[in-house]
Amino acid sequence: DAGITQSPRHKVTETGTPVTLRCHQTENHRYMYWYRQDPGHGLRLIHYSYGVKDTDKGEVSDGYSVSRSKTEDFLLTLESATSSQTSVYFCAISESRASQTEQYFGPGTRLTVT
Amino acid sequence: GQSLEQPSEVTAVEGAIVQINCTYQTSGFYGLSWYQQHDGGAPTFLSYNGLDGLEETGRFSSFLSRSDSYGYLLLQELQMKDSASYFCAVARSGNTPLVFGKGTRLSVIA
Repeated sequence: DAGITQSPRHKVTETGTPVTLRCHQTENHRYMYWYRQDPGHGLRLIHYSYGVKDTDKGEVSDGYSVSRSKTEDFLLTLESATSSQTSVYFCAISESRASQTEQYFGPGTRLTVT
Repeated sequence: GQSLEQPSEVTAVEGAIVQINCTYQTSGFYGLSWYQQHDGGAPTFLSYNGLDGLEETGRFSSFLSRSDSYGYLLLQELQMKDSASYFCAVARSGNTPLVFGKGTRLSVIA
């Protein structure tokens, strides 16, 4: 299994509070992704990174920001959490641009915003 | 715009064969991937088709027809452990991330 961890695994927070989720990889893969998964919507891309300090927006980026200061870490921040951001968040990695079709996923973080 | 269509649910009998279809409409097409996800788990990569035709990996096969904007995942000799959600995902180019379908929930019954 690819070495991907996410922390925390579960979090309950209140509306309006900031939240940061962490993804850590030991594979030295260049590409990293953040997805959210909600019933009926499948996996939707929030942001992705193609290298240290290089990030881009995905399909559902509003309300989220990311940072990648090291190859191994990709942080997702909800500046002011809302109930609509209650979801399961997955981090994924892929080795290169050409291999984006084959991604390896972390275990997920279940976030509840009350 | 872009869309991927796959059935929301499929039920099949243990030991049988099941086919999960995926049709897509995207601006640009590079290839089609398939992922499996068990309840409470993370998605795991199953297969990728960059060219037309059939790719076989054990009991699982995946097919692509670019001219029909269509692909499918074929699961043979179904086992109870194959009960999971299956997602098709399109790569629109070599430089852009995957776009996932909404998934097909497969239930294998005895």
